[in-house]
Amino acid sequence: DQQVKQNSPSLSVQEGRISILNCDYTNSMFDYFLWYKKYPAEGPTFLISISSIKDKNEDGRFTVFLNKSAKHLSLHIVPSQPGDSAVYFCAARVSGNTGKLIFGQGTTLQVKP
Amino acid sequence: GAVVSQHPSRVICKSGTSVKIECRSLDFQATTMFWYRQFPKQSLMLMATSNEGSKATYEQGVEKDKFLINHASLTLSTLTVTSAHPEDSSFYICSARGAGNRLHFGPGTRLTVT
Repeated sequence: DQQVKQNSPSLSVQEGRISILNCDYTNSMFDYFLWYKKYPAEGPTFLISISSIKDKNEDGRFTVFLNKSAKHLSLHIVPSQPGDSAVYFCAARVSGNTGKLIFGQGTTLQVKP
Repeated sequence: GAVVSQHPSRVICKSGTSVKIECRSLDFQATTMFWYRQFPKQSLMLMATSNEGSKATYEQGVEKDKFLINHASLTLSTLTVTSAHPEDSSFYICSARGAGNRLHFGPGTRLTVT
């Protein structure tokens, strides 16, 4: 069973506009949610995270929103830049100091100049 | 800081042979490391948790006798794919837990079994 889901495999936006990537989860036993950016044949790079007790975290052009009642989170990138084109993974950290992450399937973002 | 390396970056081996992949935390100590596998256009799937000085904890469905994990020091964990088969061909990624519980990922190893 897929505990973390990214239902949109791809997203295409115009440079300067907002990119919104979505993620849903089914398990309540997560204490942190994270977003990673990944290029082919490379390891994921951490972007931004949010504690399960918060509903928003902002870092520059990146903002993550968490809706616990809906078990939904989203990553907003504004303004989008061509260099943002990559695969974005949503991940949920299992509670209990295990450090274990459960990843979504990823969304490929293409930002067109 | 907080760099994780993997060696080799790419490896091709024949079916039936064993392959060892190394994961090193270069500038920090990691008592816990994680091994993931990613098939093309799919998610990163957690295979096992590697703990320094103790046995690894494997996720459901991962064969511990096939994927041998050794975490002999605070900066090195190894994953050995034994008796590799073409279906083991994948992208293997490790991560190391550093200060503040932050996970740092390695660049990955592309394994191709012919």
